[in-house]
Amino acid sequence: GESVGLHLPTLSVQEGDNSIINCAYSNSASDYFIWYKQESGKGPQFIIDIRSNMDKRQGQRVTVLLNKTVKHLSLQIAATQPGDSAVYFCAENIPPRRGGYNKLIFGAGTRLAVHP
Amino acid sequence: DAGVIQSPRHEVTEMGQEVTLRCKPISGHDYLFWYRQTMMRGLELLIYFNNNVPIDDSGMPEDRFSAKMPNASFSTLKIQPSEPRDSAVYFCASSTRQGASYEQYFGPGTRLTVT
Repeated sequence: GESVGLHLPTLSVQEGDNSIINCAYSNSASDYFIWYKQESGKGPQFIIDIRSNMDKRQGQRVTVLLNKTVKHLSLQIAATQPGDSAVYFCAENIPPRRGGYNKLIFGAGTRLAVHP
Repeated sequence: DAGVIQSPRHEVTEMGQEVTLRCKPISGHDYLFWYRQTMMRGLELLIYFNNNVPIDDSGMPEDRFSAKMPNASFSTLKIQPSEPRDSAVYFCASSTRQGASYEQYFGPGTRLTVT
């Protein structure tokens, strides 16, 4: 597999700097959010998630911030490394109405390019 | 665990031919998803199954596309007849209960080229 190609927004950072990737989501009813990382030739891989009753969650070198007022999500990567170079997707979970199932909707993605 | 397995990894076919993509989800996962990824449209959900039953196929582009899940360990996505605009990377993903986490585990994808 390949990641989405040439027309994604790109964030270029120097190795060792912190990276911030932003995402605007669409549905105010969304109750859960995930960040995925997709390296070239691979499928998306889970990084971190956050529920809508939280505004911040930290993992190893990564932090996700959620601002429900403006429907904005961000992923912060500390001390960015060359191995962090990939396409990053946010996804929102839209809960069902009156029964039914949850639905995970993916954003368009942002390419992170880490330069030595 | 081997993760989600997809085959083939690459498929090149001529317009009008039938294409079958295969997926083996992670053992114990009861949800299976088929996605298509293109530069123009990003990652799109085509269809998903719960306990082998199709739940939401609203993302299937048209009648040329069909998906089956005959058992808990196998699913197929078929395109008949294929067209050049079907060229994309097709991902299969699986997950367990949609409770505390909605994390989906993706396979490596099948890159389809229709000439």
